[in-house]
Amino acid sequence: KAGVTQTPRYLIKTRGQQVTLSCSPISGHRSVSWYQQTPGQGLQFLFEYFSETQRNKGNFPGRFSGRQFSNSRSEMNVSTLELGDSALYLCASSLEPGPMYGYTFGSGTRLTVV
Amino acid sequence: KNEVEQSPQNLTAQEGEFITINCSYSVGISALHWLQQHPGGGIVSLFMLSSGKKKHGRLIATINIQEKHSSLHITASHPRDSAVYICAVHFGNEKLTFGTGTRLTIIP
Repeated sequence: KAGVTQTPRYLIKTRGQQVTLSCSPISGHRSVSWYQQTPGQGLQFLFEYFSETQRNKGNFPGRFSGRQFSNSRSEMNVSTLELGDSALYLCASSLEPGPMYGYTFGSGTRLTVV
Repeated sequence: KNEVEQSPQNLTAQEGEFITINCSYSVGISALHWLQQHPGGGIVSLFMLSSGKKKHGRLIATINIQEKHSSLHITASHPRDSAVYICAVHFGNEKLTFGTGTRLTIIP
């Protein structure tokens, strides 16, 4: 059974550019959540999607957005990149949203903004 | 404010030692997760629990709801256990809130 697949694994972008990251959940998992990990702030929740709808959003500026497709795959987009956006971006999938379901995490996309 | 605290931040031990990592949270939760992160970034979910105790191999996780505290124990530690261990909780039905992690190093 394939795990959670995140692409690309590594990315280098220039300030001001935009970036799109992709997450394919485990087959049958309908909920996808995104997280940012930095040395200073640790792991922080970005947003969660279920049935193509954003269910929950963390405290991030509007430059961070996402969407989910009908096959449960999800993308997140960061526009007007800043140096501080350099981070490991992780997605996780679960059968359904909510605290009663376990998460399976992807390997992450390491974004470097120069 | 909903907060999660972990201790210690860093832990170095000799192979074979019994390891304990602690997690405390500020208000009632609906579920708590213990996660393991190896260098390179990938995260593995070790346990999800809302009460009592769970065991998987050499790993044991316990939670005390009244004291708002959870512990992760590793018996007969091995160098391959070296990783960052992260506690994460659901406050109600809200998103996951993470602790700052415990960096564990096991010396052969």
